Amino acid sequence: KNQVEQSPQSLIILEGKNCTLQCNYTVSPFSNLRWYKQDTGRGPVSLTIMTFSENTKSNGRYTATLDADTKQSSLHITASQLSDSASYICVVRATGGGNKLTFGTGTQLKVEL
Amino acid sequence: DTEVTQTPKHLVMGMTNKKSLKCEQHMGHRAMYWYKQKAKKPPELMFVYSYEKLSINESVPSRFSPECPNSSLLNLHLHALQPEDSALYLCASSLGLAGGPHNEQFFGPGTRLTVL
Repeated sequence: KNQVEQSPQSLIILEGKNCTLQCNYTVSPFSNLRWYKQDTGRGPVSLTIMTFSENTKSNGRYTATLDADTKQSSLHITASQLSDSASYICVVRATGGGNKLTFGTGTQLKVEL
Repeated sequence: DTEVTQTPKHLVMGMTNKKSLKCEQHMGHRAMYWYKQKAKKPPELMFVYSYEKLSINESVPSRFSPECPNSSLLNLHLHALQPEDSALYLCASSLGLAGGPHNEQFFGPGTRLTVL
């Protein structure tokens, strides 16, 4: 069964600090992995996408890594801002299957002053 | 236009009411999706339309009835819902159903549904 697990479940950090969120997956055969940011009561917004051959991808203060051998990904947020407070969801797509996505349960990040 | 819009933003309905959720995109996408999301849970896929035809129904109860009148619009008709159906309903669209990183699903802001 395809699964995506994320840790930690929730995280509180001070503004300006860095943090790293983790994602482990068992989706097979692997197509790509996206990190989404979801503000409360809003739809998810894609931050990065990584395919099998990519190890690192950055989008501003967000840097995602992918280790396809160990089936792990991380999202590193640099110099956090209050607006980074949101749920971060790791989403993996398998090849075929009608573009169905396997969602992780998310990491709830809160950035405080 | 690179966004998916949903109306209404909020909806409160009784168990005997009939209501509809609407979703619209003008990105030329031919695949559209409905998801249900409960608080602090990931979105759960409900329906997938491809080229205006229902492609996937994830065993959703018949009190939810999807409709795709054209390639830009997706509706979700609601009837005789239960309080446990209260959730955030998300619509998404993508170029198609094929694989590849270019086939990103773009999500709308959602409709917050409360069933009394």
